[in-house]
Amino acid sequence: GNSVTQMEGPVTLSEEAFLTINCTYTATGYPSLFWYVQYPGEGLQLLLKATKADDKGSNKGFEATYRKETTSFHLEKGSVQVSDSAVYFCALRGNTDKLIFGTGTRLQVFP
Amino acid sequence: AAGVIQSPRHLIKEKRETATLKCYPIPRHDTVYWYQQGPGQDPQFLISFYEKMQSDKGSIPDRFSAQQFSDYHSELNMSSLELGDSALYFCASSFDRTDTGELFFGEGSRLTVL
Repeated sequence: GNSVTQMEGPVTLSEEAFLTINCTYTATGYPSLFWYVQYPGEGLQLLLKATKADDKGSNKGFEATYRKETTSFHLEKGSVQVSDSAVYFCALRGNTDKLIFGTGTRLQVFP
Repeated sequence: AAGVIQSPRHLIKEKRETATLKCYPIPRHDTVYWYQQGPGQDPQFLISFYEKMQSDKGSIPDRFSAQQFSDYHSELNMSSLELGDSALYFCASSFDRTDTGELFFGEGSRLTVL
């Protein structure tokens, strides 16, 4: 079945550091890929998405490229801020219409 | 812009009691999804509805039931509550059931079972 694997957290960075959160997937066919963010005490918000191979999703300085050859959708940001501290979930939506989430990666950014 | 509304935001129940969570999707969204997120866990899919009919079922206990009403709002009913049911319950809605569409999530209902 379809599944998503994310790197374990927490990821702890200093402000302005470079961020990478790894995400790989297993899926039948050609799913769409998403990154959702959950700030403390809040719900899930879509951060970015990519719907086909080689697409790059971007938002708020975050980027992720849909790599079919490596079945990956790694999240990157060039310079993180304290306000980026949150839990980040990689997710896919494939031949069934529900979202399947990875286990989430907690990011902690310190000044 | 209107978002997905969930109520109540917080709920405290005793073991073996019953709880009902409500979800009001974004207007014109015809599909509703329910997810359960335990402490430190990823959201787990419970059940979904499209045009008031159940469209998919995940890891939903038999003690739980849900339905979508004619105005597209949905309710999740949980009976014989157990300690392990303590979680954040998310509702999401969508107007696009293709794999490219986004799910829009509410802020969640936090259930605590004592």
